[in-house]
Amino acid sequence: GENVEQHPSTLSVQEGDSAVIKCTYSDSASNYFPWYKQELGKRPQLIIDIRSNVGEKKDQRIAVTLNKTAKHFSLHITETQPEDSAVYFCAASKYDYKLSFGAGTTVTVRA
Amino acid sequence: DGGITQSPKYLFRKEGQNVTLSCEQNLNHDAMYWYRQDPGQGLRLIYYSQIVNDFQKGDIAEGYSVSREKKESFPLTVTSAQKNPTAFYLCASTPRGGNEQYFGPGTRLTVT
Repeated sequence: GENVEQHPSTLSVQEGDSAVIKCTYSDSASNYFPWYKQELGKRPQLIIDIRSNVGEKKDQRIAVTLNKTAKHFSLHITETQPEDSAVYFCAASKYDYKLSFGAGTTVTVRA
Repeated sequence: DGGITQSPKYLFRKEGQNVTLSCEQNLNHDAMYWYRQDPGQGLRLIYYSQIVNDFQKGDIAEGYSVSREKKESFPLTVTSAQKNPTAFYLCASTPRGGNEQYFGPGTRLTVT
């Protein structure tokens, strides 16, 4: 099955700086790559996603890039704020409905 | 936080007992999923169901069972065969043709 690796496992940034989380996947047939944010004690929520026919997607301060050749995709958060502190999960899927998740990255934004 | 609900929020059981976790959705979504979340391991898929009366094993189905008798409901039973049942369990659903998985608030199960 699909194997998704996510790095780093923890990330501490100064407020206002950028944060980058990277994921690699094993199955070249995967075509859907969502990112979820999980705040402490809450449920995961989708923040952005990208399909394999697109190389980059941006939504305000967050962006995702995809390199199909290298089989990796990244989440970029610019101008980080304290409310960005959370656990972020990447995922990959071939059929949209069955996701394989990375292990998660705990992001801490220092004020 | 309506739409997809899980109960109870916290559940405590003695080793050797089966326990059933509830998941209900009023979003009219076709597909439903159960994940297990352990520290440092992300979300792992236990079972999923795309339509009523049909479900498939995920990556870690051993020691678990499910049913999908109604579109709105997808209960998960953690059996005594599950060796390490203590975990945070998340239910999710997606609409037909949709991509985003909507998660419930989760149930934290502790087995001693």
